[in-house]
Amino acid sequence: AQTVTQSQPEMSVQEAETVTLSCTYDTSESNYYLFWYKQPPSRQMILVIRQEAYKQQNATENRFSVNFQKAAKSFSLKISDSQLGDTAMYFCAFMNAGGTSYGKLTFGQGTILTVHP
Amino acid sequence: ETGVTQSPTHLIKTRGQQVTLRCSSQSGHNTVSWYQQALGQGPQFIFQYYREEENGRGNFPPRFSGLQFPNYSSELNVNALELDDSALYLCASSLEGGGTPQGETQYFGPGTRLLVL
Repeated sequence: AQTVTQSQPEMSVQEAETVTLSCTYDTSESNYYLFWYKQPPSRQMILVIRQEAYKQQNATENRFSVNFQKAAKSFSLKISDSQLGDTAMYFCAFMNAGGTSYGKLTFGQGTILTVHP
Repeated sequence: ETGVTQSPTHLIKTRGQQVTLRCSSQSGHNTVSWYQQALGQGPQFIFQYYREEENGRGNFPPRFSGLQFPNYSSELNVNALELDDSALYLCASSLEGGGTPQGETQYFGPGTRLLVL
């Protein structure tokens, strides 16, 4: 079974600064997808960024980028130029690209990020 | 906004009762997944429906059941409610088998907060 671990329960950052959220995962599969989701206090889960395991290039979406280290099974999220609206719970999630658990997202425990003015 | 809607937003039930939660998927999506999110934790996969058939199930007892309709909307039914069923229930829609690399990405609704007394 796959597991996802987020070792930082809480993080804080000053507005306009950069912060990195950590995520590690455990799997025996070679082809999979990784995601970062954001859940603001209003609670709707929003996709931040997605990475395919077969791609060596790290995904980027505007101020959000990932550092995907497949051998180390590490998938960290970097938020540049942090904004007050980035305050939320961030979840790292894993999905197999095939097999019986395809389509199932396995989530980490989450990291609460607070951006201070 | 993801285009995924859920109803009701909040619900209070007593132990032993039954509950039905509803989800409308994003336009063009054919798959709905359900998750249970306890307070302060990451979502846990309950099951997924693809083209009206259950397509994978997490570690939840049979009293958690579901349906998917021809328009791809879905219901989650929970019988014999227990106190531990109190949680936020999230549904997520996706387009499986669409032949696109984005097909596996799941888009979440705002959730239904269930309280069992």
